[in-house]
Amino acid sequence: NAGVTQTPKFRVLKTGQSMTLLCAQDMNHEYMYWYRQDPGMGLRLIHYSVGEGTTAKGEVPDGYNVSRLKKQNFLLGLESAAPSQTSVYFCASSRDSNSNQPQHFGDGTRLSIL
Amino acid sequence: GQSLEQPSEVTAVEGAIVQINCTYQTSGFYGLSWYQQHDGGAPTFLSYNALDGLEETGRFSSFLSRSDSYGYLLLQELQMKDSASYFCAVRDPTSGTYKYIFGTGTRLKVLA
Repeated sequence: NAGVTQTPKFRVLKTGQSMTLLCAQDMNHEYMYWYRQDPGMGLRLIHYSVGEGTTAKGEVPDGYNVSRLKKQNFLLGLESAAPSQTSVYFCASSRDSNSNQPQHFGDGTRLSIL
Repeated sequence: GQSLEQPSEVTAVEGAIVQINCTYQTSGFYGLSWYQQHDGGAPTFLSYNALDGLEETGRFSSFLSRSDSYGYLLLQELQMKDSASYFCAVRDPTSGTYKYIFGTGTRLKVLA
């Protein structure tokens, strides 16, 4: 089972460049999330989606945009990359909104902005 | 605001028992979850407590006291492979049902 797949796994960008991170899940989950993880700060929610065609802002949404055109895919875009966006990005999905439903995470994308 | 507090690091020897604490402050409460993350890896779900008491899953147990806004993860018969970071998480009641807040994580070092 693939679960949650993130591409790319690593990327180096120059300040001002744009890019899109792709997240795909094969579990037919309704909910999908994008987090960033920085040293000593745990996981912080960037954007999330509660179903195909929906998106909502999380804790740290500035500088990012997302789209959920298909249920299985959740895209995270950086329009103009900044060094402060250097981080490890994790995508997650869950079946529904019940607390006892675990979030399934991808392996992460390590992004460096020079 | 909503917040969770965990110790930043815990060290224990192989075969021992270790407890990782988590205290939370939220305006509402929908249960406490625990995740494990090895270096360079993805977080993986360990356990969930909605009600007070102890939940056991093999060598791992998780405890919740809603009156104290406190929970802990108990790891028994520690193995080297348990060296990882452990995060507690709660659902953010201000967002309805969709968002989760994670603690900053506890790094567990298991010594031989």
